[in-house]
Amino acid sequence: QKEVEQNSGPLSVPEGAIASLNCTYSDRGSQSFFWYRQYSGKSPELIMFIYSNGDKEDGRFTAQLNKASQYVSLLIRDSQPSDSATYLCAVYGSQGNLIFGKGTKLSVKP
Amino acid sequence: DTEVTQTPKHLVMGMTNKKSLKCEQHMGHRAMYWYKQKAKKPPELMFVYSYEKLSINESVPSRFSPECPNSSLLNLHLHALQPEDSALYLCASSQGSHSKDYGNTIYFGEGSWLTVV
Repeated sequence: QKEVEQNSGPLSVPEGAIASLNCTYSDRGSQSFFWYRQYSGKSPELIMFIYSNGDKEDGRFTAQLNKASQYVSLLIRDSQPSDSATYLCAVYGSQGNLIFGKGTKLSVKP
Repeated sequence: DTEVTQTPKHLVMGMTNKKSLKCEQHMGHRAMYWYKQKAKKPPELMFVYSYEKLSINESVPSRFSPECPNSSLLNLHLHALQPEDSALYLCASSQGSHSKDYGNTIYFGEGSWLTVV
């Protein structure tokens, strides 16, 4: 049973648009949620983490968490071609391991 | 820039070779990790060291042998690997012991690309 689900994409958005990346998780006891960005051939880079229901904003990035719906999302405003990457959602599972989704590939077209 | 440093960045080794991957962090983190990542897949956890003790081994074959000489260093010793072990090996660290509680953000190094021929 998969614990973290993401749409693999690719998700294609025009430059300047809002990119919306979604993630669902199965463990209701999960408390910590993370978004990593991974460029091709590079290692994952932490973008944001969120612990509380609601929105958390950091520059062009907004993470949204809804624990009742077991849903976490990442919005990227004013998308740039440099945002083109794979975005990994990660959630701490019941065993204490950080569980990664398969990632969503985002392509921002100039 | 990542504060988790991995060497070498690239390694090509034969199936009879013995080699090591090295990782260092100076953030005072007490948990260190080895992950393996194949192309178009998410990172897979291999080992976790918490306060310099091995706390998780995700049923990794014995041809991979981790070592944590001190709280800043983590090694992965490689012996008799198979071509299917070719992958990106990621070292990571986090502040606290391995836990799903708040604040345990995991930071990755740049990775070591391993090719087994």
